[in-house]
Amino acid sequence: GAVVSQHPSWVICKSGTSVKIECRSLDFQATTMFWYRQFPKQSLMLMATSNEGSKATYEQGVEKDKFLINHASLTLSTLTVTSAHPEDSSFYICNTGLAGGNEQFFGPGTRLTVL
Amino acid sequence: QKEVEQNSGPLSVPEGAIASLNCTYSDRVSQSFFWYRQYSGKSPELIMSIYSNGDKEDGRFTAQLNKASQYVSLLIRDSQPSDSATYLCAVNRNFGNEKLTFGTGTRLTIIP
Repeated sequence: GAVVSQHPSWVICKSGTSVKIECRSLDFQATTMFWYRQFPKQSLMLMATSNEGSKATYEQGVEKDKFLINHASLTLSTLTVTSAHPEDSSFYICNTGLAGGNEQFFGPGTRLTVL
Repeated sequence: QKEVEQNSGPLSVPEGAIASLNCTYSDRVSQSFFWYRQYSGKSPELIMSIYSNGDKEDGRFTAQLNKASQYVSLLIRDSQPSDSATYLCAVNRNFGNEKLTFGTGTRLTIIP
């Protein structure tokens, strides 16, 4: 399947700081990427859909000013958690698929811990 | 009614037996169906996709789709301890790289 990478794989930060998570499609171009969050022992929650060259679409209840998404190229989407708080501690995962394809592949995820 | 429903389990199956995982969906016009496996602490991994009614086999895995009954299942033959994971059913209303709707997952434990 298509390879999706994420960086960093884990990050610990202080409350009030901002953290940027990168999601890259390594061997294909991804016009659309999806960002999910997963709390321990809970199901995946879609946060937003990022589209290359346009504004992201956020799911209901997700603060767009807190979770900034940028999809500036066909291989890179970034999620920035601004002014992070302990309740933002979670597993953040991106997924995407080939344009014109049907299958979607997840990145390995980023575990964020906010102290 | 949830859009995609799965029995949360846990489902315990003896090693070597067949594990059967079920999923129902509410949107009758859904076109694409996927099974993901998620190990604890890891991200989901795509293991099967199915688009047409009937069975699709890949190694020890068989996906079954019945659009009339709005039902998709995953069978794992000769279950191994390494199959112990949470299995997520995902549905796409269309074909293509669009938003998936996930079930909450079924936790499967294979008992040695």
